[in-house]
Amino acid sequence: SQTIHQWPATLVQPVGSPLSLECTVEGTSNPNLYWYRQAAGRGLQLLFYSVGIGQISSEVPQNLSASRPQDRQFILSSKKLLLSDSGFYLCAWSVAGVVYNEQFFGPGTRLTVL
Amino acid sequence: SQQGEEDPQALSIQEGENATMNCSYKTSINNLQWYRQNSGRGLVHLILIRSNEREKHSGRLRVTLDTSKKSSSLLITASRAADTASYFCAPLRAGFQKLVFGTGTRLLVSP
Repeated sequence: SQTIHQWPATLVQPVGSPLSLECTVEGTSNPNLYWYRQAAGRGLQLLFYSVGIGQISSEVPQNLSASRPQDRQFILSSKKLLLSDSGFYLCAWSVAGVVYNEQFFGPGTRLTVL
Repeated sequence: SQQGEEDPQALSIQEGENATMNCSYKTSINNLQWYRQNSGRGLVHLILIRSNEREKHSGRLRVTLDTSKKSSSLLITASRAADTASYFCAPLRAGFQKLVFGTGTRLLVSP
């Protein structure tokens, strides 16, 4: 069966520090991968998605970046965090090439920028 | 934008009652999906309804879709305290590989 992992689960970082969040998927090949951010009490904002290694689409201009160094690994990074980067970050995957695109979410990382 | 907008934003009911949440969207879709999020957790896929379907059931869930009105509803029958969560609709535009979520409906089911 497929599983999706995210780490760390929680993170407290000072403003201006770098960020690296990691997401890995097991049990499937060539998945579509997604990074979302959810501010407190709000909906999900799609940040990045990827349909293959090295292929990243950015949805929102910001100080974040994403990379996909391996087929089932998706990394969210920042060189310098802002207060507004605080939130709940969710990684998700879906089956590539399938019309219906059900998404499977990881447990999330709660990031607090102080 | 294909973003779904849920209504109401918050809903409070007693156990055993039915809960109805609505979703409206703006573009033509391939399908529409509903997800649940428990507090502090990731989203869980509940049900998917295709554009050529009008109604779908899964356990205590009933979803309807009216493409002419660009709207969908999620009905949870005989609600339980464990149904307390936020519910999101996500319409998927034909040819797209990404879902756009709304702000959700926060459901509180009291014992």
